[in-house]
Amino acid sequence: KAGVTQTPRYLIKTRGQQVTLSCSPISGHRSVSWYQQTPGQGLQFLFEYFSETQRNKGNFPGRFSGRQFSNSRSEMNVSTLELGDSALYLCASSSGQVRHEQYFGPGTRLTVT
Amino acid sequence: GEDVEQSLFLSVREGDSSVINCTYTDSSSTYLYWYKQEPGAGLQLLTYIFSNMDMKQDQRLTVLLNKKDKHLSLRIADTQTGDSAIYFCAETGSQGNLIFGKGTKLSVKP
Repeated sequence: KAGVTQTPRYLIKTRGQQVTLSCSPISGHRSVSWYQQTPGQGLQFLFEYFSETQRNKGNFPGRFSGRQFSNSRSEMNVSTLELGDSALYLCASSSGQVRHEQYFGPGTRLTVT
Repeated sequence: GEDVEQSLFLSVREGDSSVINCTYTDSSSTYLYWYKQEPGAGLQLLTYIFSNMDMKQDQRLTVLLNKKDKHLSLRIADTQTGDSAIYFCAETGSQGNLIFGKGTKLSVKP
């Protein structure tokens, strides 16, 4: 079974721009969660989508948004980028039935200049 | 609040056992996890333990849970250079998300 894939793997953007990151979960998994990883704050939960609905949300500003499509693929969008948004963005998928087993993709490394 | 603490560094010699420790705050966590992250990679789920268990063994990995002290440990037997990575302890938060510690960087010296 193919693992979680994320595209692009690396991205460089300028402050003020917006960015869209994509995540394809493991086949058959219906839940996708997004996390931000930075050296200072560590791993922080952004949001979770299940069956195209946002199920949970972490403490991030409204500039961070996401969505999930009918095939369970998910995108997250960050608008009006700030330097502090530079991070590794990880997505994780789980089946829903065994929700607690989350499998992570390789991440998208976003650099904001 | 929900918080997970773990030491930042551990150095061992190849062939020795490694023990990585973690403390957590949410006693209602149903599952506790260990993830591994190698340089430039995502997180790999190593193992997890159900909160009503004391111990779980999986090949070279042994997880010990002391629920009274909210202490979790991961023992890696016969540590190899390929085990060098950052190890994250995580608990399940109130929203069902994972709450991670800052990670323990394991260095294995030949």
